[in-house]
Order: sequence, then structure tokens, then C-alpha cells
Amino acid sequence: TQLLEQSPQFLSIQEGENLTVYCNSSSVFSSLQWYRQEPGEGPVLLVTVVTGGEVKKLKRLTFQFGDARKDSSLHITAAQPGDTGLYLCAGNSGYSTLTFGKGTMLLVSP
Amino acid sequence: ETGVTQTPRHLVMGMTNKKSLKCEQHLGHNAMYWYKQSAKKPLELMFVYNFKEQTENNSVPSRFSPECPNSSHLFLHLHTLQPEDSALYLCASSQEKVGSGGPVHNEQFFGPGTRLTVL
Repeated sequence: TQLLEQSPQFLSIQEGENLTVYCNSSSVFSSLQWYRQEPGEGPVLLVTVVTGGEVKKLKRLTFQFGDARKDSSLHITAAQPGDTGLYLCAGNSGYSTLTFGKGTMLLVSP
Repeated sequence: ETGVTQTPRHLVMGMTNKKSLKCEQHLGHNAMYWYKQSAKKPLELMFVYNFKEQTENNSVPSRFSPECPNSSHLFLHLHTLQPEDSALYLCASSQEKVGSGGPVHNEQFFGPGTRLTVL
């Protein structure tokens, strides 16, 4: 069974702070995706990383895929209240289903 | 704005009721999914449909019955549910590659979910 462990489970910070959340597994994935889910809504895809060591930037968000394609990180610079939400990572092993982590709940206070 | 819609957004039902959840995707995708999201647990995949054919059923109790009449619509029929079935039910769609079309990244697009409460 493939598992994705996300840490921390919960993070509460002030506006303007930087943060990093992690997604780790003992399994290799062909690609990994990050989603953000706001209260009362479904997850929204932020990025897909495919190549080991790949780094992708989305405005103030930086995503990195581990060299061995077993782990990933999401770094947010100068967090804003609009970044509040549940961040989910999901690994794809090349088949038609994704393995999701439990998520990191981020709260950014003004 | 989303290409995947779900109705109803909220549902309260008794254990003896029969109800249905509806999902519609406007993205032209060929695969649709039902997930269950409970507090402090990962998203649980329930059913997968590719080209209207069910390809996965993750040991879901028979009180949940999916239906996929075409590639744009997906239903989840509910009957004699238990209180522990209360959760957010999410529908998603994706475009699956056909044949040897390269790596499958399976980027999924989710609806807003139905918040189900079973009394």
C-alpha cells in the first residue's frame, strides 16, 4: 500500500511569514500533484511535478520534487490570508488512481 | 468557476432514506471519480469510471451504488446509510490517455462536494 505522509498536519502563522510543508513516501511516483482546498469547496490543482529534482514556481509558491521522486515540498514566501486552506499532495504511480496524503491545514492570520 | 458541478451541496438524511448525489463535468473528460473525505483521513477513492465503464470499486459497501450513464454524468445512489457515512463526497474528472499516449499524470478536477449528514 502506498502512503503519503504530510507534515505538519496544522500550521498557523502570521501574514508575511515564510513556510514549508512536506510530503513524504517510501514509494516512487511517476508524478506528484499539489492541491489546495478551501472550506466548503473541492480541491483545486496547483501544480504537477514530474521529473526528479524538478522545481516549479507559482507566484509566491515554490514546489520541489525529490531526486528519487519519493517526496516533495511546498514553500510559500510572504504568506497572505488568501493562502489559507488545506494543502494536499497526491502521488501518481502511472495508473488511473491517485494516492492522497491527509493534508496540511494552513491558517494565515492578518 | 469550476467545470465540475455537484448537487445537492448539502444533504441531511435518515438511515432509512434513499437519495442520490449528482455530478456533471463540462470539461470533455473521459474519466470520473467518487471520493469520500472525512476529518483527519486521506481522501478515500470509492469508484472510478473510464469511458462509462467502472474500473475500480474500492471495497465500498453496497449501500453506495454508482451510476454513470454517459461520460459527463455520474451519480451516487444512497440507501440505508449509517451515521459513520457522514462526510464530504467529492466528484472529480480527468482526461485519461488512450493506448501508449505517454505518462499518465491523472490531473483531477474536483467539484465542490456534497456535505452529507446521516442522522
